[in-house]
Amino acid sequence: NAGVMQNPRHLVRRRGQEARLRCSPMKGHSHVYWYRQLPEEGLKFMVYLQKENIIDESGMPKERFSAEFPKEGPSILRIQQVVRGDSAAYFCASSSKQGAIETQYFGPGTRLLVL
Amino acid sequence: AQSVTQPDIHITVSEGASLELRCNYSYGATPYLFWYVQSPGQGLQLLLKYFSGDTLVQGIKGFEAEFKRSQSSFNLRKPSVHWSDAAEYFCAVGALTGGGNKLTFGTGTQLKVEL
Repeated sequence: NAGVMQNPRHLVRRRGQEARLRCSPMKGHSHVYWYRQLPEEGLKFMVYLQKENIIDESGMPKERFSAEFPKEGPSILRIQQVVRGDSAAYFCASSSKQGAIETQYFGPGTRLLVL
Repeated sequence: AQSVTQPDIHITVSEGASLELRCNYSYGATPYLFWYVQSPGQGLQLLLKYFSGDTLVQGIKGFEAEFKRSQSSFNLRKPSVHWSDAAEYFCAVGALTGGGNKLTFGTGTQLKVEL
């Protein structure tokens, strides 16, 4: 499967625990975007990364949230000390080119439920 | 800042009937526009995109959309809806910012198809 992969597909956490969401971009893509979809809402941009660099994190909450895209391995979105309001679907998208509008291809998402 | 409005939260059509989903955008420069479809529990699939050129764009699954700059609209159409088209549809505008091109999504239109 050459598409964008995300895991886990579903994640249940209790308040105060940590959540780690992983995203493997499409083959040949080196740009990753993370979006969050709250219930009954559209997707909201969180962060844009390239390998080993955070390019734009203007949509990330100031606390508890972090993202990385290491040289090797998937991109990780990390949420520390989760709260019920973090319950949402988190989508990753990848694209192949910077500096021009390129199509973003989305993964299936991770549904996070905080109890 | 860019924004997208999808005025219809829910739409119900009969199978075989025509469909038009509305999308209005606000963006200070030339917009890059997208329509995505999301089936329940799934990720987003790109239906079509407008970057430049012909204002009537064709997409997958028989969908088309027309960019009208004077109306700031990018409505999605299909001449004959199939039951499998039932899903949620998102319009998005892309903006070059911070070196990347983050998408701003509308809140979506839920399409129900009656047999």
